[in-house]
Amino acid sequence: AQSVTQLDSHVSVSEGTPVLLRCNYSSSYSPSLFWYVQHPNKGLQLLLKYTSAATLVKGINGFEAEFKKSETSFHLTKPSAHMSDAAEYFCVVSDLGTGTGFQKLVFGTGTRLLVSP
Amino acid sequence: KAGVTQTPRYLIKTRGQQVTLSCSPISGHRSVSWYQQTPGQGLQFLFEYFSETQRNKGNFPGRFSGRQFSNSRSEMNVSTLELGDSALYLCASKGQTSSYEQYFGPGTRLTVT
Repeated sequence: AQSVTQLDSHVSVSEGTPVLLRCNYSSSYSPSLFWYVQHPNKGLQLLLKYTSAATLVKGINGFEAEFKKSETSFHLTKPSAHMSDAAEYFCVVSDLGTGTGFQKLVFGTGTRLLVSP
Repeated sequence: KAGVTQTPRYLIKTRGQQVTLSCSPISGHRSVSWYQQTPGQGLQFLFEYFSETQRNKGNFPGRFSGRQFSNSRSEMNVSTLELGDSALYLCASKGQTSSYEQYFGPGTRLTVT
């Protein structure tokens, strides 16, 4: 079964400084990986996805992530944090069915990003 | 294109009652998945429907059920509510079977008292 581990439950940064949210995955085959963001009392928004194309993936709002198979990692980064980035971030792996197109998302436990002025 | 919509947004029920939540996927999307989000268990997969058929189900008791209509709208039902069913219930829709992204609605916040 696929799984993801988010290494930090909370990350605090100052506005304008870089952001690093860490994620390791476990997969028995080449995985599809995602980062979703959830603002308070909101649903989940897709930030970016990796689906076996380029290993460096660019997403919305200046976020990017690099797929490193040798390290089984998919860390999320942003060069300069903004106050509006404060939210909960989920690293997600897709668990595919067998030829049916079925897809179940397996979520990490989330990392809460705090951004101070 | 309108996003995924869920109704109602908030719901308060009493233990022992039943509840029905509704989800309208993005136009053209035929796959609808349901997830439960709680502080203790995080986000967990409930079930997925495609073309009115349940394709898979997570590890939830039989009190949790769902269905999908011919227009791809989906409902989930929870019978005999327990306090532990209090959660944010999220619905997500997906387009073509080769597409990997799921698009989430805002959720229904269910409180069981």
